[in-house]
Amino acid sequence: QVQLVESGGGVVQPGRSLRLSCVASGFSFTTYGMHWVRQAPGKGLEWVAVIWYDGTNRYSADLVKGRFTISRDNSKNTLYLQMSGLRAEDTAVYYCARMGTMTGFYGMDVWGQGTTVTVSS
Amino acid sequence: SSELTQDPAVSVALGQTVRITCQGDSLRSYYANWYQQKPGQAPLFVMYGKNKRPSGIPERFSGSSSGNTASLTITGAQAEDEADYYCNSRDSSGNHVVFGGGTKLTVL
Repeated sequence: QVQLVESGGGVVQPGRSLRLSCVASGFSFTTYGMHWVRQAPGKGLEWVAVIWYDGTNRYSADLVKGRFTISRDNSKNTLYLQMSGLRAEDTAVYYCARMGTMTGFYGMDVWGQGTTVTVSS
Repeated sequence: SSELTQDPAVSVALGQTVRITCQGDSLRSYYANWYQQKPGQAPLFVMYGKNKRPSGIPERFSGSSSGNTASLTITGAQAEDEADYYCNSRDSSGNHVVFGGGTKLTVL
């Protein structure tokens, strides 16, 4: 079945770096754009970044621009989020999500279960 | 602040109809997508386009749009519909994605 599995979360000190991964299965990863979305404790969903199916286009939210980089390795069916200069306000559950084909690039039709990032000294 | 505005909370009696709304300028040009999230779970995609339901979403869920407002309607709300609901669209610049602040639906 279609599945997205995130990993790489953990506790990290402010200013440090972390790389999240999302392994896709059950669909043709190479033909879908992908998103990262986060959710701070008790808060709503916040879009982080998007990458096109072939990596040609990437956009990220202003709050993370210059600190977070979205990338993908289609040979490994894997999406990444490289996070640097982490701040306490980056503490959240990070979800990867598949870009919908009929939703506009901003839609997400399949979601992973999320990985938790805690930024704390 | 979000470019999409949702009521923080809405309640509905079991079996009745409830409408959850989402307002924003981008909705004049682009359809909203809708997601349901239950506590401790990942979001679930429940509506897109002009009233289109993904496979597996019950028919009691429907969508509509008028002007700068998109709506998700649940006709005959069930206890299992109690959840947070989020709308999303693209922002005014066109290259970014925005979510509404979410609506907590309580089924009484």
